[in-house]
Amino acid sequence: GAVVSQHPSRVICKSGTSVKIECRSLDFQATTMFWYRQFPKQSLMLMATSNEGSKATYEQGVEKDKFLINHASLTLSTLTVTSAHPEDSSFYICSAMITGFRNQPQHFGDGTRLSIL
Amino acid sequence: AQKITQTQPGMFVQEKEAVTLDCTYDTSDQSYGLFWYKQPSSGEMIFLIYQGSYDEQNATEGRYSLNFQKARKSANLVISASQLGDSAMYFCAMRGDYGGSQGNLIFGKGTKLSVKP
Repeated sequence: GAVVSQHPSRVICKSGTSVKIECRSLDFQATTMFWYRQFPKQSLMLMATSNEGSKATYEQGVEKDKFLINHASLTLSTLTVTSAHPEDSSFYICSAMITGFRNQPQHFGDGTRLSIL
Repeated sequence: AQKITQTQPGMFVQEKEAVTLDCTYDTSDQSYGLFWYKQPSSGEMIFLIYQGSYDEQNATEGRYSLNFQKARKSANLVISASQLGDSAMYFCAMRGDYGGSQGNLIFGKGTKLSVKP
């Protein structure tokens, strides 16, 4: 089945640090990948849609300068949390969809728990 | 606007019994897809089952079945013969017409299922 790898799984760092999270589709090509944020005991909230070769589409209220997204290839998207602060602590999870098949589910990575001290 | 409603924050079920998790949705799209995901405490999102809006038969995947009632805009998940490993958060999600929404998912708030031995 389709596998999405997300790395790192956990990050603990000091306030002011920038953190990069990688999302890779291992056995399929994904023109589009998605980045979600999940606070404890809440649902997944879409942050942005990452499109290969073009700028990401951000959801309302998400700071594009804070959360930098790069989708340089059909198998890799990265999310960089710039100058992270404690309020950025959350669970970040990416997903990818097999291009061209609208009945296909999104395949999720295992998520990244980000803790900013 | 699309919306997913899960009205059961938490559910308990006895091991080996069946349980139904409720999901209602709202959309103006003619073509859409409905998904159920399971999220264990470890955080990964596991795809369970898919139902397309034009599918005439209810979807089934092993112990999972989807009770799709289009006129009522409901897509309830039925888990038969519950197992202790079924204890997790369950999210209902919807994807609108592929061309319009780029395929992103709208999630409900989730239902926490606890299976009792």
